[in-house]
Amino acid sequence: DAKTTQPNSMESNEEEPVHLPCNHSTISGTDYIHWYRQLPSQGPEYVIHGLTSNVNNRMASLAIAEDRKSSTLILHRATLRDAAVYYCILRDVGGSNYKLTFGKGTLLTVNP
Amino acid sequence: NAGVTQTPKFQVLKTGQSMTLQCAQDMNHEYMSWYRQDPGMGLRLIHYSVGAGITDQGEVPNGYNVSRSTTEDFPLRLLSAAPSQTSVYFCASRGSFLGRNTEAFFGQGTRLTVV
Repeated sequence: DAKTTQPNSMESNEEEPVHLPCNHSTISGTDYIHWYRQLPSQGPEYVIHGLTSNVNNRMASLAIAEDRKSSTLILHRATLRDAAVYYCILRDVGGSNYKLTFGKGTLLTVNP
Repeated sequence: NAGVTQTPKFQVLKTGQSMTLQCAQDMNHEYMSWYRQDPGMGLRLIHYSVGAGITDQGEVPNGYNVSRSTTEDFPLRLLSAAPSQTSVYFCASRGSFLGRNTEAFFGQGTRLTVV
């Protein structure tokens, strides 16, 4: 499986933008980049995904490097509710194993 | 729309007891899976199913059994609970088995303690 590398933790202030980086230097040409987040005491929830182009949705934006070896999840205005662990995941569709491989993610702290 | 529902939310078992963690989804998703999450670690895949009657092992399957008799339900059975199975368990579902870019939906988790 192609692996991802994320900082263990990041800190932000409320209502400021947050850029969460992810390195995936061994990504294959057909791997999608997914982001999930896990709020305290909850199950993970989907945030956004992309393949090559930058993507936007109501929750966040995903900026993907031209060589696809890194990506950045952008929260445009962090709120206290955005405090969570954010996981950058490459979607493994090899063989019959359609799993999501979670690393340790980035713990985002949002200060009021 | 309830999404993915897990029961119970909390459970304490004695070593050697058996129990079943329930997972149900109402989105007609083909793909369902069970993960466990231990402190300081990410989620690890236990078992998964790509449709009714089809299951397969994930990366940590030992001590757990699954079956998938309907599209909606995917129970996880602990045959003889051990303290090492103390963890938080998450069930997930996703549509379109052949789809590469569909989002997964997770339940709220079952916190299991084995004493």
